[in-house]
This record gives sequence, C-alpha cells and structure tokens, in this order.
Amino acid sequence: GAVVSQHPSWVICKSGTSVKIECRSLDFQATTMFWYRQFPKQSLMLMATSNEGSKATYEQGVEKDKFLINHASLTLSTLTVTSAHPEDSSFYICSARPPGTNTGELFFGEGSRLTVL
Amino acid sequence: GIQVEQSPPDLILQEGANSTLRCNFSDSVNNLQWFHQNPWGQLINLFYIPSGTKQNGRLSATTVATERYSLLYISSSQTTDSGVYFCAVGGYKLSFGAGTTVTVRA
Repeated sequence: GAVVSQHPSWVICKSGTSVKIECRSLDFQATTMFWYRQFPKQSLMLMATSNEGSKATYEQGVEKDKFLINHASLTLSTLTVTSAHPEDSSFYICSARPPGTNTGELFFGEGSRLTVL
Repeated sequence: GIQVEQSPPDLILQEGANSTLRCNFSDSVNNLQWFHQNPWGQLINLFYIPSGTKQNGRLSATTVATERYSLLYISSSQTTDSGVYFCAVGGYKLSFGAGTTVTVRA
C-alpha cells in the first residue's frame, strides 16, 4: 500500500506557542490531503482538506485562523496550530490517496500527538 | 452529513473465538474502509470495500451497499487483534464511526 508519514510523532509545547506538523506522501504524489483530529477514546473528526497550490477547505466549526494548512508541494502538507492552548491537545492524523479515482483507498499517517501545557 | 453507526461499542472475546462487527450508514457511498487502530494510534488499513466481499487471512468483510451496511468478521481471534476497529464511509472524504473496542483475552 501507499505510505504516508507524519512528523513529529510527539510534541509538547507551552501555551501560546505555535506548533507545525508535517504530512508527507512518500511514494506517490497527492494533490489533496485530509487532516483529522482525535480526542482520547473518541472517533476521528475531519478538520480540513488540504489542496496543493490553493487554499484549504475547512469543515464547519473548525477555526481556519487557529489551524493553518499549507500544501506547498505534491508530497507535503503542513498543519500549524497557532497560539496553542491546552484544549488543542489532541491526536492529529493526516491522510492521502494515490492518484486515480477521487474515491479510492485512503492511507493514513502515524499521527502526531500534541500536548499543550 | 452521512451518519455512521458501529456495533457493538465494546466486545470482549476469548482467544480463538469468532466475532462480527457491524457498520450501518445512512446514505449511498463510493468508499468504505475498515481500519484497526493500534495502541500507538496508527490506523492500519484492513479493507477497502465499497461493495462485495473480501478476505485477508483471518479477517473478512462484506458490504451490502444497497442495504447500507458492512460487516467485519474476525475468526480465531488472537490477543494481537485487540484494539479499536473503525468503519469509515463516504466518497472523496471519509466519515468515521465511533468504533468498536475489541479485547481478546488469552
């Protein structure tokens, strides 16, 4: 299967600072990547769709100024949590699909666990 | 948006037992995937199955798209099968169910 990788796996930061998480497709090009968020013992919720070369589209209720997404190349999307607060502590997971149909199989990164102190 | 319901929410099995997990969804879909989330949080792709039946070792899955449900079968369960199983449906985007937490006891 296709490989999607995230970095860092774990990050701890102080309240008020910004944190950047990277998502890379290692063996395919992805014009679109998806960012999900998962709170402990809960399901995954789609936050936004990252589009290469254009603005991201955000799901209802997700603050675009809080969660900045940049998709600068066909293999890299970044999520920046700005002015992080303890309530932003969560597990963030990205996903992408290889070129082909728009409804093909999605592959997920390892996830990035953010703790805001 | 599309609603996804998984049942049961929790399942405790004795090693060697068989089990069936169910996923109901509220609208027609072009994509349905089953995942196993390991203790470190990584989602492992089990099946891409918008319709039909597939098998992979001790796991198999069936999706009846016309009746809007999918089933995941685990046979001869092992302790390594423990974890959370998610069903996700949609098309371009995926919506996840709440998951089934499976605990396999030795």
